[in-house]
Amino acid sequence: DIVMTQTPLSLSVTPGQPASISCKSSQSLLHSDGKTYLYWYLQKPGQPPQPLIYEASKRSSGVAERFSGSGSGTDFTLKISRVEAEDVGVYYCMQSTQAPLFTFGPGTIVDIK
Amino acid sequence: QVQLVESGGGLVKPGGSLRLSCAASGFTFSDYYMSWVRQAPGKGLEWVAKISTIGTTMDYTDSVKGRFTISRDNAKNSLHLQLISLRADDTAVYYCARGGLRYFDHWGQGTLVTVSS
Repeated sequence: DIVMTQTPLSLSVTPGQPASISCKSSQSLLHSDGKTYLYWYLQKPGQPPQPLIYEASKRSSGVAERFSGSGSGTDFTLKISRVEAEDVGVYYCMQSTQAPLFTFGPGTIVDIK
Repeated sequence: QVQLVESGGGLVKPGGSLRLSCAASGFTFSDYYMSWVRQAPGKGLEWVAKISTIGTTMDYTDSVKGRFTISRDNAKNSLHLQLISLRADDTAVYYCARGGLRYFDHWGQGTLVTVSS
C-alpha cells in the first residue's frame, strides 16, 4: 500500500508571509491514464475537511488563488503565497492513484504567529 | 447546495453494533459514488468504505472488512454504514463524503461513534 508522509507536521506562520507543505508518497502517483491523483484538503477547526487542490495542481472550485499545488511522481508541495488568519487548520494530502484505496497523509497543523 | 447530514452515532459497548445514515440533498444522488471517512479523536483522516452509483460495487479498508457494510438507497437519497463487532479503535467521527472514484468533493459534519464499556 502507498504510504503518504508530510513535512513539517506543524507550521507557525506570520500573516502575509508564504507557507509551504511537502507531501511524499512511497510510490509514484502517476497513473497509467497519465493523471496524477494527488489531492490537498484543509480541515479548519471544528469543521469537516474541504478540498483545496485536485490532481496535484488544479484548484478546487471557490479556492483562493493564494493556494497552489505542484509536484509529480512522489514529491508534491502545497504553497500558500500569503497566509491569512482564516487559513489556520490541518492540511492533508491524499492519494487515490491506488484506487480503490485512498490514503491520507498524517496532516500538517498550520497556525498563526 | 449540496448537503450531507449524518446520523446514528452514539455510545456502544465493544462487540456491539450501530447503523449510521447520511441524508443527501442538493444534487442527483444516484449520479455519484459515495464514501465514509473517519477520524479518531485528535487523529488524522482514514477512508473507510465506498459504494458505486447503483450500489453494486463496494470497497473497504482492511481493518473494517467483514465488520462494516456500506449500502445506499437511491430512491431515498440516503447512504448507510452498518457497523458490527465494534472495537475501541473504531471510535471516531464518521463523515459521509460525496465521491469515491478519485476524491471527495463534499463532506458532512460527521457523527461521533464511541466504543467503550
